Amino acid sequence: EIVLTQSPGTLSLSPGERATLSCRASQSVSSSYLAWYQQKPGQAPRLLIYGASSRATGIPDRFSGSGSGTDFTLTISRLEPEDFAVYYCQQYGSSSTFGQGTRLEIK
Amino acid sequence: EVQLVESGGGLVQPGRSLRLSCAASGFTFDDYAMHWVRQAPGKGLEWVSGISWNSGSIGYADSVKGRFTISRDNAKNSLYLQMNSLRAEDTALYYCAKAPYSVAGTYFDYWGQGTLVTVSS
Repeated sequence: EIVLTQSPGTLSLSPGERATLSCRASQSVSSSYLAWYQQKPGQAPRLLIYGASSRATGIPDRFSGSGSGTDFTLTISRLEPEDFAVYYCQQYGSSSTFGQGTRLEIK
Repeated sequence: EVQLVESGGGLVQPGRSLRLSCAASGFTFDDYAMHWVRQAPGKGLEWVSGISWNSGSIGYADSVKGRFTISRDNAKNSLYLQMNSLRAEDTALYYCAKAPYSVAGTYFDYWGQGTLVTVSS
C-alpha cells in the first residue's frame, strides 16, 4: 500500500499570503495519479486538482498542483478567506489512499 | 446538476449488518465508476470500495475485504454497500463518490453529503 504523508499538519497563514502544502508518497505514484481535495467543516470534500497538476472544473487559478514520483505540492498563490480548510492528497495509481490532511488556519 | 444522496446509516451493534444506498441523479449513471469513502469522527478520509460502470471490476480496502460488498443497479441509478460483521472501528460518515471515468481506479469528482454509521453496543 502506498502511504501518503502530508506536511505540515497545520499551517497558519494570513489572507493574501502564499500557502505551500506537501504530500510525500512512500513509493512512486504511477503516471502522477495524484489528486487534491479541500474539505470545510460539515461539508463533503471538493476536488481541486487531479493528475498532479490539472485543475478541476470551477477551481480558481490561485490553486495549482505540481510534482511527480514521490513528491507533490499544492500551492495557493494568494489566500482568500474561504480557502481556510483541511486539504487532503489522494493517490489512485495503486488502489487508492489518502494522506492524513493539512489544516490551513487563519493566523 | 450531479446529486448523490446516501441513506441507510444508523446505530448498529458490533457483529451486525447494515446496507447503505446511494441514489444518483444529474448524470448518466451507467457511464461512470462509483466509490464509497469513509471518514471516522474527527479523522481523515479512507477509501473503502469502488466498482466500475458494469460491475466488472471491484476493489476493496484491506480493512473491509471479506466483510463489505459493493454493488450497483444501473436501472435504478443506485449504488450499494452491504456491510457485515461490523466493528467499532467501522464507525464513520460514509460518502458515496462518483468517478470521472468508467473504470474504478481514479479520483472522485463529485461527493454526496454522507450517511453516518455508528457501531456500538
